[in-house]
Amino acid sequence: NAGVTQTPKFRVLKTGQSMTLLCAQDMNHEYMYWYRQDPGMGLRLIHYSVGEGTTAKGEVPDGYNVSRLKKQNFLLGLESAAPSQTSVYFCATTRDNNSPLHFGNGTRLTVT
Amino acid sequence: QQQVKQSPQSLIVQKGGISIINCAYENTAFDYFPWYQQFPGKGPALLIAIRPDVSEKKEGRFTISFNKSAKQFSLHIMDSQPGDSATYFCAASISSGSARQLTFGSGTQLTVLP
Repeated sequence: NAGVTQTPKFRVLKTGQSMTLLCAQDMNHEYMYWYRQDPGMGLRLIHYSVGEGTTAKGEVPDGYNVSRLKKQNFLLGLESAAPSQTSVYFCATTRDNNSPLHFGNGTRLTVT
Repeated sequence: QQQVKQSPQSLIVQKGGISIINCAYENTAFDYFPWYQQFPGKGPALLIAIRPDVSEKKEGRFTISFNKSAKQFSLHIMDSQPGDSATYFCAASISSGSARQLTFGSGTQLTVLP
């Protein structure tokens, strides 16, 4: 039982490059979230999904796109990476609105 | 605009001491206040949570104190241990529409000296 798995763990991009971060969960949770964590700013919600085929914007969605084609996977895409997107990205899942979030171990992304 | 303000940014406590981390919020519609613990290289994990209808919740050495009128809540770690050294985040949320969205504080790095 892996829980929430994020790939890759580390990535370095040049400005303008694109990439996709994958979040996979084996807990059959409905809700999935993408957060970014920056020093002194806590975690900020980028996008989230309340079920397969649904997505919604969070607090800081600009520059990112997401897809939830399968219930167990939530993808975060950067179409044209910028240095301001250097961060640690966390995926989280939960069964419902009254259950705690389960986080993955993060993807550290550096954009040069 | 930061809706949840957390202090201190860092905290050093001797083993056996009490660690206290404070948070203040602005939005009176928040109805759920969790604390998360994060170790280096790992994702945050739920430590303890409280709803505004109670003033205190205790789980083992960890206690949340909640002051609704002051819009403040705090985490107390009794008998702090070196294994408690981690970053702690407070958070607050409203069940808005289809999903509960958490607003996190900026984090407190706790170091417990042996």
